[in-house]
Amino acid sequence: EAQVTQNPRYLITVTGKKLTVTCSQNMNHEYMSWYRQDPGLGLRQIYYSMNVEVTDKGDVPEGYKVSRKEKRNFPLILESPSPNQTSLYFCASSSTGGNEQFFGPGTRLTVL
Amino acid sequence: GQNIDQPTEMTATEGAIVQINCTYQTSGFNGLFWYQQHAGEAPTFLSYNVLDGLEEKGRFSSFLSRSKGYSYLLLKELQMKDSASYLCAVRGGSYIPTFGRGTSLIVHP
Repeated sequence: EAQVTQNPRYLITVTGKKLTVTCSQNMNHEYMSWYRQDPGLGLRQIYYSMNVEVTDKGDVPEGYKVSRKEKRNFPLILESPSPNQTSLYFCASSSTGGNEQFFGPGTRLTVL
Repeated sequence: GQNIDQPTEMTATEGAIVQINCTYQTSGFNGLFWYQQHAGEAPTFLSYNVLDGLEEKGRFSSFLSRSKGYSYLLLKELQMKDSASYLCAVRGGSYIPTFGRGTSLIVHP
């Protein structure tokens, strides 16, 4: 089944404790991106990648890192999480020339 | 940069027609998207417009006017399950689209 998976789905952590949210797609898509969604603010783009080893900042990249060492994986790293990073995070992928973004199920992160 | 504006909330009656508007300002334009998102779930793709005009897909249609920076999503024969957020997104210079804040549609009996 064609899909985007994210892990974990739910995470409660404390300020400063490094964490990684994984994202994987099995559709051989070139484009992958991370969004955060907050009430009243909608989906905001954090980072995106147009192919392996090619990443770029979105609208709200501060406090986040990403890597794209393999085509299928695009992990989101929070080196030192803070409470303002409490949010719902979505990973998405799409193909070159394709118009539809496929979203993962979301990761709900709480930073205490 | 991009600026996308859509109403925060709309209500409609089951069986009726509703139109959700989206206006945008963007540097470069490579398409406008509509996504549906039910509470607690991931967004799912509804439509894509890159040329002016109306695209119809079953009960849902999407319209685009590039010169006016305007789009709408038309939902016909509303059903209770259509209660969701509807997200307008624009692809400008970057390949990855930017999303508006979404319109929460409430369908009541």
